[in-house]
Amino acid sequence: QSVLSQPPSVSGAPGQRVTIPCTGSSSNIGAGHDVHWYQQFPGTAPKLLISGSSNRFSGSKSGTSASLAITGLQAEDEADYYCQSYDSSLSGVVFGGGTKLTVL
Amino acid sequence: QITLKESGPTLVEPTQTLTLTCTFSGFSLTTTGVGVGWIRQPPGTALEWLALIYWDDDKSYSPSLKSRLTITKDTSKNQVVLTMTNMDPVDTATYYCAHFIYYYGSSGSQYNWFDPWGQGTLVTVSS
Repeated sequence: QSVLSQPPSVSGAPGQRVTIPCTGSSSNIGAGHDVHWYQQFPGTAPKLLISGSSNRFSGSKSGTSASLAITGLQAEDEADYYCQSYDSSLSGVVFGGGTKLTVL
Repeated sequence: QITLKESGPTLVEPTQTLTLTCTFSGFSLTTTGVGVGWIRQPPGTALEWLALIYWDDDKSYSPSLKSRLTITKDTSKNQVVLTMTNMDPVDTATYYCAHFIYYYGSSGSQYNWFDPWGQGTLVTVSS
């Protein structure tokens, strides 16, 4: 059971916009701690997604939740995506359960 | 360029102690705001943070595994070592080490992330 909640899967057609939500609590996202996103392809290590390195990926945060938006969906975006933050109550890093993005 | 690589046994028997070494280059673990973390991923499941060691030798552990974990660093060798005691088949996973950056915002909020990650090493726990 991950501290941050993500839907197991999302999907979208090429060219579409999809969002991946990440729900936390008052001790992590709601406490103002930053949220970062990682992209992982099968059999490889996760890689930090940096908004700005690609105009198609952007992150946002509101209250106890965050989301990753991917615009202009491409086939090569098909991967697993994880959110990550810090939790004051646990005094440590927390990850979401991961979301598998399928490009239809 | 920052690189990290994990090394250690691929097979561990139940109840044994696992020792993993992360050898890194391209940064110093004496630099303010820098750390190295360990994260694991059981087959087909999510990432789980295990431990962090900071530039000033401060350490933090996952509360659920704290009693079994020890993280240390050797700055002269550019290595971080993680030990996990009393291994069980449920500990079978790919173990990653990663470069960690952190700083504090004006209100005490934390900004931190892992980048880059090592390639990972699969550890199987079986008799």
